[in-house]
Amino acid sequence: EPEVTQTPSHQVTQMGQEVILRCVPISNHLYFYWYRQILGQKVEFLVSFYNNEISEKSEIFDDQFSVERPDGSNFTLKIRSTKLEDSAMYFCASTQETANEQFFGPGTRLTVL
Amino acid sequence: GESVGLHLPTLSVQEGDNSIINCAYSNSASDYFIWYKQESGKGPQFIIDIRSNMDKRQGQRVTVLLNKTVKHLSLQIAATQPGDSAVYFCAESSMDSSYKLIFGSGTRLLVRP
Repeated sequence: EPEVTQTPSHQVTQMGQEVILRCVPISNHLYFYWYRQILGQKVEFLVSFYNNEISEKSEIFDDQFSVERPDGSNFTLKIRSTKLEDSAMYFCASTQETANEQFFGPGTRLTVL
Repeated sequence: GESVGLHLPTLSVQEGDNSIINCAYSNSASDYFIWYKQESGKGPQFIIDIRSNMDKRQGQRVTVLLNKTVKHLSLQIAATQPGDSAVYFCAESSMDSSYKLIFGSGTRLLVRP
């Protein structure tokens, strides 16, 4: 069964450093999302991406964040200068059509020291 | 570092009993709803979905009920098993917000053997 994959599973970084979180969505999906989950809290929407551009972004997704689909398979989330409060699980999700099940990856745990 | 999490409401049930998990959603324009299961350290896993033109949908051992009048969603799990122990999130989405998922705060289900 096809699945969304994410790398790395755990990323530790120093405050102020740049990180890139990588995702490989399911191959025939067209809509891509990043969410984050701070430990013990609910999952929060960050950004949606379709047709090589951002469809919508949340207040969390400020100028420090960017997304890219550099080729036909990868979907990346970059944080330019990490802050302590960026520590969270980051989940990538994809779906073939809107208003359908979003398939989530296993997540990347980002720890900012 | 990571933030201290919010206390999750917990439902404790005996193995074999039925479980009912409730969720209130906020946006009256939401037209697509999903229940996700999340086990520790993993990404959200799809359980069942329902569109706003329905008030009930059944899957294998699970039923989702939607009451649009009071903006309430419930998940019923029949014959609850130890493997059902997890945190359950409802999520709402709407066409006017690119079908991004807005998650509820979650309920922890504990199944006693």
